[in-house]
Amino acid sequence: DGGITQSPKYLFRKEGQNVTLSCEQNLNHDAMYWYRQDPGQGLRLIYYSQIVNDFQKGDIAEGYSVSREKKESFPLTVTSAQKNPTAFYLCAIRTGGNEQFFGPGTRLTVL
Amino acid sequence: SQQGEEDPQALSIQEGENATMNCSYKTSINNLQWYRQNSGRGLVHLILIRSNEREKHSGRLRVTLDTSKKSSSLLITASRAADTASYFCATDGGGFKTIFGAGTRLFVKA
Repeated sequence: DGGITQSPKYLFRKEGQNVTLSCEQNLNHDAMYWYRQDPGQGLRLIYYSQIVNDFQKGDIAEGYSVSREKKESFPLTVTSAQKNPTAFYLCAIRTGGNEQFFGPGTRLTVL
Repeated sequence: SQQGEEDPQALSIQEGENATMNCSYKTSINNLQWYRQNSGRGLVHLILIRSNEREKHSGRLRVTLDTSKKSSSLLITASRAADTASYFCATDGGGFKTIFGAGTRLFVKA
């Protein structure tokens, strides 16, 4: 997991509620990513950011939003528009050599 | 979009045996990576092989890449119970994206 932290580890959301997942890194990398993983599946890209104050939609951005106000932080908000948000969420940084390093993940469950 | 597809989906072996996992992808790549994920944890980067490389080693890991067949293999030699995990291949998806396959679940019996 290195210098990438995600919080909380477990999160429960009620119907119609927005929740924000935290991702912080102290590795001084510009590129940060958010992925969603469903049971037994690979990772799907939600959003990514190459630099502060800039981010792009991934393959499944609908119902999610992000911000990148600081290099160290890339929070993900799961909005009420995301109808099936129960999943494991992973944040990662990407090095100049293209390797990605991941945080420990947040497991979100809708009650 | 291009995507790595791992084969087999699941693999069960005895400790000490070798484990081989395969990955196929659809379009040209600059590099291919393998990651490991223990249950409920984040992914750990194992190895990156560039398109102009054919084979790469790291400890008990051996990765091959055949760009003509658009395929790669990951060999874990002398497997241990601690190698039990899911293994994913990932290819560069254009721009700054990385595309992950669905993974191979490896179970090593002690």
